[in-house]
Amino acid sequence: KQEVTQIPAALSVPEGENLVLNCSFTDSAIYNLQWFRQDPGKGLTSLLLIQSSQREQTSGRLNASLDKSSGRSTLYIAASQPGDSATYLCASANQAGTALIFGKGTTLSVSS
Amino acid sequence: DGGITQSPKYLFRKEGQNVTLSCEQNLNHDAMYWYRQDPGQGLRLIYYSQIVNDFQKGDIAEGYSVSREKKESFPLTVTSAQKNPTAFYLCASAGGGYSNQPQHFGDGTRLSIL
Repeated sequence: KQEVTQIPAALSVPEGENLVLNCSFTDSAIYNLQWFRQDPGKGLTSLLLIQSSQREQTSGRLNASLDKSSGRSTLYIAASQPGDSATYLCASANQAGTALIFGKGTTLSVSS
Repeated sequence: DGGITQSPKYLFRKEGQNVTLSCEQNLNHDAMYWYRQDPGQGLRLIYYSQIVNDFQKGDIAEGYSVSREKKESFPLTVTSAQKNPTAFYLCASAGGGYSNQPQHFGDGTRLSIL
């Protein structure tokens, strides 16, 4: 059964710093890997989706990579801002149309 | 604007009572999902539906029931058999089939016991 792990559970950085969030998964036979952002008391907002055939996706200051052979994905945030403070969740889809398997998230705090 | 609407935002349940959480989407998505989120636990799948009039149990379906009579709607009932219902409930939808599009989430319903 697929297991998704995110380390660290919490991260605090000063504004302007570049940072990397880590996600690992036990079964490399994934359909896609998704990164989400969750603000306190809110639902999830999709950030990036990497298909199994892709190595990375970029959106603005965000870059997500996927290495299926090592069972890892990273989310790189460039020039962090206080508005980036939130919980970041990664999730794998093991088959088309099936539900996602989530990690427990990394809570990021960016101080000004 | 297209999206997913969950209601109510807050819900309180009395002992022995069934309550129903609403989830409606206007994204024309085939697949819909219910997740439960507890502090420090991440999201866990309760039920999902890939097509109207069909649904499957997730990892923690005991004490819950769903229906999918319309493509747009996927209500979740928390029954009295669910002994620990206090949690944040999230509904999501996706294109289904071989669509490689992200899941879209509603803003959640927070359920508490009176």
